[in-house]
Amino acid sequence: QVRLVQSEAEVRKPGSSVKISCKASGGTFSRYLISWVRQAPGQGLEWVGGITPIYVTPQYAQKFQGRVTITADDSTDTVYMHVGSLRSEDTALYYCARGLIERSPFVASDVWGQGTMVTVS
Amino acid sequence: QSALTQPRSVSGSPGQSVIISCTGASSDVGGYNYVSWYQQHPGKAPKVIIYDVDKRPSGVLDRFSGSKSGDTASLTISGLQAEDEADYYCSSYAGLYTFVFGTGTRVTVL
Repeated sequence: QVRLVQSEAEVRKPGSSVKISCKASGGTFSRYLISWVRQAPGQGLEWVGGITPIYVTPQYAQKFQGRVTITADDSTDTVYMHVGSLRSEDTALYYCARGLIERSPFVASDVWGQGTMVTVS
Repeated sequence: QSALTQPRSVSGSPGQSVIISCTGASSDVGGYNYVSWYQQHPGKAPKVIIYDVDKRPSGVLDRFSGSKSGDTASLTISGLQAEDEADYYCSSYAGLYTFVFGTGTRVTVL
């Protein structure tokens, strides 16, 4: 059974950047959509972007274009998300999640990481 | 990409049915049959309970069902139970390999 293990919590100052990771273990990885979803304290879910490692090209929600970069390392089954120009509104729990169906870019996510808390202060 | 619109809260007594709506536009909900629903208990990661409008992943109870009409999708929880008390989010494919979530609905079991 695949598990997604995320990196530890981070604290950053406004204007700086952060790079968080999501490593898959116990299953295939590269043929599935990996999404990043964030949740600010007490707020709802927000889709940030995603990548299917074998297709390489990531996609981003419009509001994050130019500020977020998602990459994948097939050799280590790890997906990374870099967020630049951090502001206080980026304080949130960031989840990675794997798509339910192999090779489908449209599908819901059924396996979620434990979340990485990013605090901008 | 605006968030999909959900009611802030719904409630029901044990055994009753509740329906949660999710309203979008022709560019997301209305344009694709890729609506999903997630259940999130406090302090936990979301769990998918419906995908592709009306499909249930393995292990999800048939008390949960989904449907769609035009730009509005709906989640029905039948035979409401105490453990169904949680936040529920809809999500839709929104074109160009992007997704959008709903605003979220708190379900309270009275």
